[in-house]
Amino acid sequence: DAGITQSPRYKITETGRQVTLMCHQTWSHSYMFWYRQDLGHGLRLIYYSAAADITDKGEVPDGYVVSRSKTENFPLTLESATRSQTSVYFCASSLQGARGNTIYFGEGSWLTVV
Amino acid sequence: QKEVEQDPGPLSVPEGAIVSLNCTYSNSAFQYFMWYRQYSRKGPELLMYTYSSGNKEDGRFTAQVDKSSKYISLFIRDSQPSDSATYLCAMSGNPTRDFNKFYFGSGTKLNVKP
Repeated sequence: DAGITQSPRYKITETGRQVTLMCHQTWSHSYMFWYRQDLGHGLRLIYYSAAADITDKGEVPDGYVVSRSKTENFPLTLESATRSQTSVYFCASSLQGARGNTIYFGEGSWLTVV
Repeated sequence: QKEVEQDPGPLSVPEGAIVSLNCTYSNSAFQYFMWYRQYSRKGPELLMYTYSSGNKEDGRFTAQVDKSSKYISLFIRDSQPSDSATYLCAMSGNPTRDFNKFYFGSGTKLNVKP
């Protein structure tokens, strides 16, 4: 039971570079989410997707792009990385979303922008 | 005002103690309540899931929901050093809006001393 896998787990990049964080789930969950977790802010929703080809913004979407061409994959791209995007990023999935189902998280991707 | 409030701790207890972790919330429409455990440098792991009010027990863990007080609790009996982690509460299920949203507390850091 692989669940949710994220890659890379750790990444250091330079300001201005494009970075893509990958997320793959094996449960065929409809909903997928990207959160960032920062001290003092907790988990903040960046983007979510209700199904393939359906995505929408969360609380903090600026500077990020997502796509979902296949149900099982939900990559997150930082178009031009900034130091403020240094964070730990969690991909998550849910069978039915917040209307009656729980949410499961990946192991996280630690991103440092220098 | 945050939708979900959680004391960040840290909470330090001796091994074998009963631990009480709590969250309060402001939105009376929430119907689904969850507790997650997050070890250092890991993703949040689902511990308990409760629908509406009442208690749910799973081994040493008991989750309580008091919707009239907008208060949820997680009790850990016979706490072990392996329980040392950050515990996040989460809730969802507003039937009128935000079907995509899960609301998370900021987490309480627990340290169980041997």
